[in-house]
Amino acid sequence: EIVMTQSPATLSVSPGERATLSCRASQSVSSNLAWYQQKPGQAPRLLIYGASTRATGIPARFSGSGSGTEFTLTISSLQSEDFAVYYCQQYNNWLFTFGPGTKVDIK
Amino acid sequence: QVQLVQSGAEVKKPGASVKVSCKASGYTFTSYDINWVRQATGQGLEWMGWMNPNSGNTGCAQKFQGRVTMTRNTSISTAYMELSSLRSEDTAVYYCAKAYTYGSTDYWGQGTLVTVSS
Repeated sequence: EIVMTQSPATLSVSPGERATLSCRASQSVSSNLAWYQQKPGQAPRLLIYGASTRATGIPARFSGSGSGTEFTLTISSLQSEDFAVYYCQQYNNWLFTFGPGTKVDIK
Repeated sequence: QVQLVQSGAEVKKPGASVKVSCKASGYTFTSYDINWVRQATGQGLEWMGWMNPNSGNTGCAQKFQGRVTMTRNTSISTAYMELSSLRSEDTAVYYCAKAYTYGSTDYWGQGTLVTVSS
């Protein structure tokens, strides 16, 4: 089973600042990597798929990069609505796993 | 618009089974896999398994093998996830989600809270 790790566990950022979230896979997942945002009491929302493609309706301040085992989600200028938990998720050989999440909170 | 509407909250005793439904609308149900994901209170997301509504083929995480059954009724565009031999650690919100591309999921149900308690 592919294990996903995310760092940091918590990221404290001021509004308007840049946030960089990392995700690592225990083995290569090629570009089969997605990022989700989840707010309390809500279902996750797809942000990025294929490691770097924004989902429909996702603002341009969200960007994804990486391939293989190392991935990054960047939020260029944090807005108040961006404070949430972010999960990466991989797909490989008909199996999926999520990372443990990174909580982005207000500094 | 695409919607996934799940069945309501359940309370079960240890050892029992629970069956959660997920009714899809706004797209061709048989064209996209359905994934099941759960989340215990205050915890992260845990992928459980997938089902192809067209073929009925399924796959699941190793920890759920032998305990989870995923089925569908294509005539009513509904997917089902049944989890057996429930224990307290299975208390969680269970989500269904529509597969998209590159292994991602683009639409999620509202979640179903399953509480396992004696």
